[in-house]
Amino acid sequence: EIVMTQSPATLSVSPGERATLSCRASQSVSSNLAWYQQKPGQAPRLLIYGASTRATGIPARFSGSGSGTEFTLSISSLQSEDFAVYYCQQYNNWPLWTFGQGTKVEIK
Amino acid sequence: EVQLVQSGAEVKKPGESLKISCKGSGYTFTSYWIGWVRQMPGKGLEWMGIIYPGDSDTRYSPSFQGQVTISADKSLSTAYLQWSSLKASDSAMYYCGRQGAAGSWWFDPWGQGTLVTVSS
Repeated sequence: EIVMTQSPATLSVSPGERATLSCRASQSVSSNLAWYQQKPGQAPRLLIYGASTRATGIPARFSGSGSGTEFTLSISSLQSEDFAVYYCQQYNNWPLWTFGQGTKVEIK
Repeated sequence: EVQLVQSGAEVKKPGESLKISCKGSGYTFTSYWIGWVRQMPGKGLEWMGIIYPGDSDTRYSPSFQGQVTISADKSLSTAYLQWSSLKASDSAMYYCGRQGAAGSWWFDPWGQGTLVTVSS
């Protein structure tokens, strides 16, 4: 099983600041990585797929980068609606996909 | 609009059976895989398994193999997740998600979730 490790567990950021979230895979997943946002009481929402492609309707302040084992999700200027939990998911190892444990982005 | 609508919250006793559903609309139901994910209270997302409604090809995460059954009814555009004998540890929120694009393995959109509570 490919283990996905996200860091930090919690990120405290002031509105308007930049947030950088990391996701590391225990072995290469190429660019087969997605990022999801989940707000309390809501289902996950796809943000990024293919490590760097924004999903339909996702604002340009969200960007993804990386390949292999190291990935980053950046939010350039945090808005109030961006405070949530973010999960990475590898889909390289079909069908044994795995999620990271999540990073909570909270208001500083 | 592509949509997945899940069945409502359930409260069951240990040992009871349960089948929850995920109805797809706005797309050709038989052409996209649907996956199921568990989220235990206060925890992260766990892949359970996936089904291709076109031919009912089903794959399970090793952690959930033998614990649940995933199925689909093409005529109703509905996928199912079922348990034959619930345990308290099955208490969780369950989400279904549709394959984002043919041949891809990210999931979008997701259903709204079904909360399952198992308590004596």
